[in-house]
Amino acid sequence: QKEVEQDPGPLSVPEGAIVSLNCTYSNSAFQYFMWYRQYSRKGPELLMYTYSSGNKEDGRFTAQVDKSSKYISLFIRDSQPSDSATYLCALGGQFYFGTGTSLTVIP
Amino acid sequence: DSGVTQTPKHLITATGQRVTLRCSPRSGDLSVYWYQQSLDQGLQFLIQYYNGEERAKGNILERFSAQQFPDLHSELNLSSLELGDSALYFCASSAITSSGNTIYFGEGSWLTVV
Repeated sequence: QKEVEQDPGPLSVPEGAIVSLNCTYSNSAFQYFMWYRQYSRKGPELLMYTYSSGNKEDGRFTAQVDKSSKYISLFIRDSQPSDSATYLCALGGQFYFGTGTSLTVIP
Repeated sequence: DSGVTQTPKHLITATGQRVTLRCSPRSGDLSVYWYQQSLDQGLQFLIQYYNGEERAKGNILERFSAQQFPDLHSELNLSSLELGDSALYFCASSAITSSGNTIYFGEGSWLTVV
């Protein structure tokens, strides 16, 4: 079983939609949860960082962690074409990454 | 620009050959990480160095090795290359920020084995 599972998509939404991206994980010891955004042929860049359970909001982005279900989510409100990228979740001190979900926001 | 520099950007080589990928971390960052990204496996952690010492090891093959030099740059050596080693190899360095331990990725080195 992989440490972290992520639906690869692809996901295609109209501009302005709310996007939900999700990951599940197996190791309950994970305390740090991150979301990275990767544009095509570029290195991933840190988008959100959360510790333990709960929600964290940053502008149009909200990261949510449910440790009881071993489930993390990233919500993007009012999605923009510039949000089109691959989103990767990362856990465990950034040693474990999801495979990434490809998102396209259509104008 | 993350400040992490990787060379070469693209590399094509034949099976059985050996290549070296080079990474310069951000100024002041002591940790260097290497990752492999392929379509079917996603982003896989290979190895981490901290101030010249190996700190953590992930799914790194025995044919692969890495080191971090006194000036903190790092090299990833890939030998006896196979077709399946074709991938994007990322180097990253880390710093403690308000967001915690933040990793900054380079642009990657595209390796194609033919």
